Amino acid sequence: SQQGEEDPQALSIQEGENATMNCSYKTSINNLQWYRQNSGRGLVHLILIRSNEREKHSGRLRVTLDTSKKSSSLLITASRAADTASYFCATDSRQAGTALIFGKGTTLSVSS
Amino acid sequence: DAGVTQSPTHLIKTRGQQVTLRCSPKSGHDTVSWYQQALGQGPQFIFQYYEEEERQRGNFPDRFSGHQFPNYSSELNVNALLLGDSALYLCASINRRVAGGQSTQYFGPGTRLTVL
Repeated sequence: SQQGEEDPQALSIQEGENATMNCSYKTSINNLQWYRQNSGRGLVHLILIRSNEREKHSGRLRVTLDTSKKSSSLLITASRAADTASYFCATDSRQAGTALIFGKGTTLSVSS
Repeated sequence: DAGVTQSPTHLIKTRGQQVTLRCSPKSGHDTVSWYQQALGQGPQFIFQYYEEEERQRGNFPDRFSGHQFPNYSSELNVNALLLGDSALYLCASINRRVAGGQSTQYFGPGTRLTVL
């Protein structure tokens, strides 16, 4: 079963614009991670945010976590064509141990 | 620092056959998880191996089995292949002794399995 749901399913923007993707989940979590996947290849880890953290930054990425709403957002600033990919949120929880539960992903297309 | 590696990259099998996929974890990692990703979907957890034993299992039939070797590498075996087993199979690794495993999971490039 899939715990996370990303929104939107697809997003098309121009280079230089910001891209925001949202993720909702159902059960209490330990951590939430965001991954990027290019053209059906392996997953590249972007950022991990723990349940006791509210915001985290890494380069052009900003992740927020609202455990009361069971939601997270990923903001990519000043998007580039190379950011074109699918983005997934994944959660782990006390119940699921270290098994990651993924959503269906957001497909981001950045055109130049 | 070697990342997670998987072999083969692509594989084509016919229904009813058996397949073995291989994974070597990131250097320093001792726990390997396997995921199945169907086209257009997010990855789904199959099972996890630590200390050469299956520790957790997702909602997959017994046709899916695995093994972990003393060097922490792992195999995923699928018997009696069905058309629906066509997917990208991903391996991920962590160091369970770091923060109880509550840390970044690193993924390999995956094996694309096509069942005809």
